[in-house]
Amino acid sequence: GEDVEQSLFLSVREGDSSVINCTYTDSSSTYLYWYKQEPGAGLQLLTYIFSNMDMKQDQRLTVLLNKKDKHLSLRIADTQTGDSAIYFCAERPNQAGTALIFGKGTTLSVSS
Amino acid sequence: DTEVTQTPKHLVMGMTNKKSLKCEQHMGHRAMYWYKQKAKKPPELMFVYSYEKLSINESVPSRFSPECPNSSLLNLHLHALQPEDSALYLCASSQDSLGELFFGEGSRLTVL
Repeated sequence: GEDVEQSLFLSVREGDSSVINCTYTDSSSTYLYWYKQEPGAGLQLLTYIFSNMDMKQDQRLTVLLNKKDKHLSLRIADTQTGDSAIYFCAERPNQAGTALIFGKGTTLSVSS
Repeated sequence: DTEVTQTPKHLVMGMTNKKSLKCEQHMGHRAMYWYKQKAKKPPELMFVYSYEKLSINESVPSRFSPECPNSSLLNLHLHALQPEDSALYLCASSQDSLGELFFGEGSRLTVL
């Protein structure tokens, strides 16, 4: 069945790098997404990667995709306290009429 | 304008009340979504509208009634809700049924 798996918690110190991992199941997914949710707020689209790419970099964010293992990671360089949030990985199966499938979310806690 | 706007931000209602949640986007997106999110859980899909037609109903109870008056607006009518329906209700839109989703800040609903 469809499932997106993430580790639930990650704790880092300010200035360190954070790596959040995700595994997905649908090899037909053309896009994979990372969303950030701060307490009491909606979901903010952080970045996404097309399935024919291995890596995408956007300022402090680096997304790595291993399509063979269906593994996706989000690296945040120089993590700040403002990065503390829940990060959701999501896949979009390549079928019209479907919607995003979300992982359970990784809570990132950044200590100063 | 890259925003999805939801009103009200907070709503408290009794089990016999009738109320509505509203969502608006002006990005020309043709797919709109309602999600329900409980605390520290991923969003759960409720409804998808594509080109103003309901394309997905994820077996949502009839006390939730969606409406898409035009391509920019999406409503969720609420009637005879239960306390367990208390949650954050998120609206999202995408260019089409395969594009990335942009979320609003949500409407936090409390049912007494």
